[in-house]
Amino acid sequence: EDQVTQSPEALRLQEGESSSLNCSYTVSGLRGLFWYRQDPGKGPEFLFTLYSAGEEKEKERLKATLTKKESFLHITAPKPEDSATYLCAVISSGSARQLTFGSGTQLTVLP
Amino acid sequence: NAGVTQTPKFQVLKTGQSMTLQCAQDMNHNSMYWYRQDPGMGLRLIYYSASEGTTDKGEVPNGYNVSRLNKREFSLRLESAAPSQTSVYFCASSEVGRGLTLHFGNGTRLTVT
Repeated sequence: EDQVTQSPEALRLQEGESSSLNCSYTVSGLRGLFWYRQDPGKGPEFLFTLYSAGEEKEKERLKATLTKKESFLHITAPKPEDSATYLCAVISSGSARQLTFGSGTQLTVLP
Repeated sequence: NAGVTQTPKFQVLKTGQSMTLQCAQDMNHNSMYWYRQDPGMGLRLIYYSASEGTTDKGEVPNGYNVSRLNKREFSLRLESAAPSQTSVYFCASSEVGRGLTLHFGNGTRLTVT
């Protein structure tokens, strides 16, 4: 059974204070790891897909990295508009179209 | 550029009542999904439709039925609502491919009393 654990559950940062969110996973044959951003009252919005260990993707102040056991979402010099819940999900070789989601990290960036 | 549209946005039901959640996408995607989101549990897949004419159970299908009406529309029906079905329901769509990037609607917040 695929499992995804995200930490911390909540994170408060000052504007400009860089940090990282963690996503640990257990799967039998990783096909892909996904990061989504979710704003209150909205559906998740796709950020990145990572396919293999060592891969990195960047978008503005966000950078996602992947190892064989975990992924990190690095946030450099965050701004208040980066405040959101960040979700991690995986899909494995045995799970057809079923993504397994973590419960998310709620990020608050204070001005 | 609507993407994935869900109706209604909010709904309150009494135990035993039935209702249908509607979802439509305008991205010409083949695959569509229904998820529920509960505090501390992450998103869980209820049903999905890989292509028009097919539907499959996800992780938590009990108490739900689905209909893939055409390529654009995928509905979720609760025949006899229970308080355990109080949740936020999200519809999503994706194209076939390696990435399985999901595009989500903005959800239906359902309360069953």
